[in-house]
Amino acid sequence: AQTVTQSQPEMSVQEAETVTLSCTYDTSESDYYLFWYKQPPSRQMILVIRQEAYKQQNATENRFSVNFQKAAKSFSLKISDSQLGDAAMYFCAYRSAGSNTGKLIFGQGTTLQVKP
Amino acid sequence: DAGITQSPRHKVTETGTPVTLRCHQTENHRYMYWYRQDPGHGLRLIHYSYGVKDTDKGEVSDGYSVSRSKTEDFLLTLESATSSQTSVYFCAISESPAGGGSEQFFGPGTRLTVL
Repeated sequence: AQTVTQSQPEMSVQEAETVTLSCTYDTSESDYYLFWYKQPPSRQMILVIRQEAYKQQNATENRFSVNFQKAAKSFSLKISDSQLGDAAMYFCAYRSAGSNTGKLIFGQGTTLQVKP
Repeated sequence: DAGITQSPRHKVTETGTPVTLRCHQTENHRYMYWYRQDPGHGLRLIHYSYGVKDTDKGEVSDGYSVSRSKTEDFLLTLESATSSQTSVYFCAISESPAGGGSEQFFGPGTRLTVL
């Protein structure tokens, strides 16, 4: 069974600085998708970025980028030029590419605090 | 934003009472999911549906049942609520389980407290 681990329950960053959130996963599959979701205090789950395992290039979305290390089974999220609105809980998630259920497997979450 | 609503948004109930949570979508997506969110566990899949009247269990399905009589509605029922079912419940939808159109969009969540 696949598992996703986020070992940092809480992180903090100064506004305008850069922060990296860690995620590791365990799978025997070779084709899969990885995601980072943001959950602000409103509780809404927002997709931040996705990575397809067969693509070597790291995904980027504006100030958000990932460092995908397939061999190490590591998928970290880098937030550049942090803003107060980035304060939220962040979840890493895994989905099998061949899934017939679409089931997402989530990590435990990392709460990010942004200090002004 | 994807058209997903959940009702109620908040509910307090007593142990042993039945509870039904509703998820309603206006996107005509085939797949619908119920997750629960608990501290230290992230979100975990309870049940999912791949079409009208087609449902299956997720990893934490004990104590829950679901029904989908229309494409747009997916109901989650706690037959006899227990304190361990105090949680935040999220509904999600997607067009397909994999490949293009497989991104899951989440509803706003329902906070359920079982006393």
